[in-house]
Amino acid sequence: EVQLVESGGGLVQPGGSLRLSCAASGFTFSSYEMNWVRQAPGKGLEWVSYISSSGSTIYYADSVKGRFTISRDNAKNSLYLQMNSLRAEDTAVYYCARVIRYYYGSGSYPYFDYWGQGTLVTVSS
Amino acid sequence: DIQLTQSPSFLSASVGDRVTITCRASQGISSYLAWYQQKPGKAPKLLIYAASTLQSGVPSRFSGSGSGTEFTLTISSLQPEDFATYYCQQLNSYLGDFTFGPGTKVDIK
Repeated sequence: EVQLVESGGGLVQPGGSLRLSCAASGFTFSSYEMNWVRQAPGKGLEWVSYISSSGSTIYYADSVKGRFTISRDNAKNSLYLQMNSLRAEDTAVYYCARVIRYYYGSGSYPYFDYWGQGTLVTVSS
Repeated sequence: DIQLTQSPSFLSASVGDRVTITCRASQGISSYLAWYQQKPGKAPKLLIYAASTLQSGVPSRFSGSGSGTEFTLTISSLQPEDFATYYCQQLNSYLGDFTFGPGTKVDIK
């Protein structure tokens, strides 16, 4: 059974740092692209960051670029999000999500098939 | 960046109703679109990918259509468990853009 379990959330002061983890099990973690997605209280979903299966390709949303760093340890089946210079607007539930691809002809359609339960990050003084 | 809009943002419907939600992209995205359902306090659940392909295990009352800039999610006969918020998402892994739409909340009339 595929499982994604986030941890590391909590209360942090503005300007502070936090490191989120996502422990993966039930599948070959090293073969899958992964993402972080967040949801502020009462708001919609916001994609945060993407990392390829090898870690060689990384993307960030403009709202976190330069402050957040995504990484992975395939030997430990784990995904990470290092969050620095945190702001009140970073307050949200953070989800990790797996990418799977539907292949056709010469291309593929990616989509997020499994999600963790989320971990809450609160940035407040 | 590609922007997604959804309409309506809120709809009130009854069990058995046919419900249609529209997602529009600011530029063409071919069929790189997915739909998710989210219930309060829960993680999103994938319903549709590649614009019209039903995810395994999702009831057949859900369907997706469209390509380019306009997409629809249809629930043919609304069930009590379908009251939730629905999000579209465009997935352009070549540009690193995985934007979500703002969501449509489906509530009980």
